Amino acid sequence: SQQGEEDPQALSIQEGENATMNCSYKTSINNLQWYRQNSGRGLVHLILIRSNEREKHSGRLRVTLDTSKKSSSLLITASRAADTASYFCATAVTDSWGKLQFGAGTQVVVTP
Amino acid sequence: NAGVTQTPKFQVLKTGQSMTLQCAQDMNHEYMSWYRQDPGMGLRLIHYSVGAGITDQGEVPNGYNVSRSTTEDFPLRLLSAAPSQTSVYFCASSPTGSRTEAFFGQGTRLTVV
Repeated sequence: SQQGEEDPQALSIQEGENATMNCSYKTSINNLQWYRQNSGRGLVHLILIRSNEREKHSGRLRVTLDTSKKSSSLLITASRAADTASYFCATAVTDSWGKLQFGAGTQVVVTP
Repeated sequence: NAGVTQTPKFQVLKTGQSMTLQCAQDMNHEYMSWYRQDPGMGLRLIHYSVGAGITDQGEVPNGYNVSRSTTEDFPLRLLSAAPSQTSVYFCASSPTGSRTEAFFGQGTRLTVV
């Protein structure tokens, strides 16, 4: 079974709007990472938040982590057509350093 | 700097055939892993390696073999291809496993008929 589950499965917004997606997980983690995948391409790392951090920013990205609720959110502000992609959360399970466990992803479409 | 290179990009196999998916990285990363991606299921870990000579099973290892004789290379072998192995396969590497970001190859799209 998968560790992370993203919500929603799909999101359609217009350029300039914000996009928010959520990730829930089941077990204790060391960190949580977000990746982007453009159609037909490999995954690209966006941001990593450690279990002792609550919020992190990178450019137009804002990630929050609530370990008590075992959940994380990714906010993309002022979205652009180039943000159209699938977004995945991945968890680094404690004491299992070789493994990243991925969710099923959120497909985001940004229309001009 | 090539990063993580996977070959081939596309492959069609007949049921029962065997083949090897190649993965090479030039970043001197200790950790390498193989995932498969199926529609609606995200990425599932097949096998991973924490260094040359050391491999371990992931979530879906059946039907696949791996070896790690060098730091750079981590090939994935399909022993006897089955239609259920039709998928997109991704290789990834990272300097310290899941402590840090992973770098992914562009993927191999495999179809088993």
